[in-house]
Amino acid sequence: ETGVTQTPRHLVMGMTNKKSLKCEQHLGHNAMYWYKQSAKKPLELMFVYSLEERVENNSVPSRFSPECPNSSHLFLHLHTLQPEDSALYLCASSQEGDYAYNEQFFGPGTRLTVL
Amino acid sequence: GQQVMQIPQYQHVQEGEDFTTYCNSSTTLSNIQWYKQRPGGHPVFLIQLVKSGEVKKQKRLTFQFGEAKKNSSLHITATQTTDVGTYFCAPFSGGYNKLIFGAGTRLAVHP
Repeated sequence: ETGVTQTPRHLVMGMTNKKSLKCEQHLGHNAMYWYKQSAKKPLELMFVYSLEERVENNSVPSRFSPECPNSSHLFLHLHTLQPEDSALYLCASSQEGDYAYNEQFFGPGTRLTVL
Repeated sequence: GQQVMQIPQYQHVQEGEDFTTYCNSSTTLSNIQWYKQRPGGHPVFLIQLVKSGEVKKQKRLTFQFGEAKKNSSLHITATQTTDVGTYFCAPFSGGYNKLIFGAGTRLAVHP
């Protein structure tokens, strides 16, 4: 409905597993974002991609590895996660301009549980 | 880094009562956005404020940006059960559309 889709919607994984989250935007935007939302902290920005180039990495542990193969797709590769990584992972996109601050469109999120 | 304080964390009102959430920063903000997240949903953009002292209205919602651009507020008149959710303020920090989200104010409306 928002033009940003995420799969899977729910994911349960063990600490030794490797999985990937996928995000796709159908809005023609040039910037994409990964956020983490947990019960204990506000919405945290993890990564920003602008024109497929990573421009921001908010001190995220290396067990989270983003990938942006093109302006419409964004992945978050997960490996050897910890139980405290359980959270809602939200993808967003926006149209970025030199002097424009534009709204971000969020996907429905992936609810991740790490056992 | 830049942070914003959002108060209250939680507000419980009877349907028809008014509601206000406040967003405060120790530094001057270039602009600020507001988002709403329904229970079980994702954040949805409501408004953006850019100018000092700016006031914008959307039906029963009134958004204000302080004269010093260090605070903002969202006021809902005569709340309805459809207003339930968490309201986040999110100023920009630096470039690349980097938003810094407040902790949010969770609104509960009882009929």
